[in-house]
Amino acid sequence: GQQVMQIPQYQHVQEGEDFTTYCNSSTTLSNIQWYKQRPGGHPVFLIQLVKSGEVKKQKRLTFQFGEAKKNSSLHITATQTTDVGTYFCARLQGGSEKLVFGKGTKLTVNP
Amino acid sequence: GAVVSQHPSWVICKSGTSVKIECRSLDFQATTMFWYRQFPKQSLMLMATSNEGSKATYEQGVEKDKFLINHASLTLSTLTVTSAHPEDSSFYICSARGVRGGKPLHFGNGTRLTVT
Repeated sequence: GQQVMQIPQYQHVQEGEDFTTYCNSSTTLSNIQWYKQRPGGHPVFLIQLVKSGEVKKQKRLTFQFGEAKKNSSLHITATQTTDVGTYFCARLQGGSEKLVFGKGTKLTVNP
Repeated sequence: GAVVSQHPSWVICKSGTSVKIECRSLDFQATTMFWYRQFPKQSLMLMATSNEGSKATYEQGVEKDKFLINHASLTLSTLTVTSAHPEDSSFYICSARGVRGGKPLHFGNGTRLTVT
C-alpha cells in the first residue's frame, strides 16, 4: 500500500514553542489516524479523522484533515517536555484493517 | 479500556535459535491481530495479519517460514522467529481490534529482540 509522506522527520523545539507535523498523500484518504510513541514505548492511538476539512482538538493538540482528504496535520500549542516522542500518521489500507504508517516525526523539547 | 499484552518485553537469543512472542487481548476477543516490526529510528512496518482459526496473511517480502504465526484462540496470537539471525534484531509489536470492529487498534507494549 502507498505510504503517507510525513514531514519533518525531526523537530527540536524549546519548551513553550509550537510544533506541527504534516502528512501528505497523492491519493485520497478514507481516513487518517495519529499515534504517539514515546521513546522505548509502543504507539498509542491519539485520534482518527474521516471527514473532509475535519478539525479536532485534544487540549493543546489540534488535528486537521484537508478538504481534499489528501493531507493532515497535527499541531501542538506551547509544547511541554511530556510531549516528546515520535508522532506517526497512519492510514487504513484500502478496505482492510491494515495500518500503513508514515515515517514519523520525532519531537524533542528542550526545557 | 481494551488492553493488549505482549510477552516477553525483551529477549536476547543466540543466532540460530528460535524465539516465540505472545500477544494477548486481555479484555476483548480479537479475530484479527497484526504483527509489526520496527527497526531503530524507523517506522512500523506491517509483517503479517493473524486470523483466528486460519492461516496468517504475510506482507510482501516477509518470509512465512521464518516468521511463524499462530492464532489459535480469540485472545492469543504468537509469532515465532525461527533460526534467528542478527538482522532479525528489531522491535516487534502486535496490535488487535475487537470482534465488533470499531476504532482504534490497540497495541501491545512490544518485544525488543536482540540476536547475538
